[in-house]
Amino acid sequence: KNEVEQSPQNLTAQEGEFITINCSYSVGISALHWLQQHPGGGIVSLFMLSSGKKKHGRLIATINIQEKHSSLHITASHPRDSAVYICAAFNSGGSNYKLTFGKGTLLTVNP
Amino acid sequence: KAGVTQTPRYLIKTRGQQVTLSCSPISGHRSVSWYQQTPGQGLQFLFEYFSETQRNKGNFPGRFSGRQFSNSRSEMNVSTLELGDSALYLCASSKGTGGPYNEHFFGPGTRLTVL
Repeated sequence: KNEVEQSPQNLTAQEGEFITINCSYSVGISALHWLQQHPGGGIVSLFMLSSGKKKHGRLIATINIQEKHSSLHITASHPRDSAVYICAAFNSGGSNYKLTFGKGTLLTVNP
Repeated sequence: KAGVTQTPRYLIKTRGQQVTLSCSPISGHRSVSWYQQTPGQGLQFLFEYFSETQRNKGNFPGRFSGRQFSNSRSEMNVSTLELGDSALYLCASSKGTGGPYNEHFFGPGTRLTVL
């Protein structure tokens, strides 16, 4: 069992819908990153979280360290949001961290 | 400002050969990390370098090695290639020391195919 679990694995939405992608982890972590990967492979870092909530435009990310859970929300989804979203958990704040990735959520937003 | 560049973008090798991939970080960034992405295993962390020193290493065999130069450019080497090494190899650079508290800027990746 992967230490970092994402759900759902696949998600299809209509343009304008509110999207939620979940990431749960089984070990204590110091920080969690959300990444976006478009077809062709390019990866963009969306958020770095160690507590609370962050917002960039239509994207919101939350984390609850005690419940070992993070969510990525997309408001007013658009076809250009179609991508794979990956969470990455760091188990330590120092240099000797273990980094574990979720398997990713494939989001397709239809016009 | 130029982004992270990786060369070559595509590479085909045969089993038993060795390969060297290159990563040039964003100017001013001193931390470079490497990742392997396969359909079966997803993304996996290979290693991270800061100021020419390997700071952290993932769970990969010794055939995978890397280094960082004084200009922060990094190379990774895979010796005695196996079919399972076919993957997209990504590098990322960070302004600070890398790790969990710095934003990572990813390159476009090198697609390695081992025949």
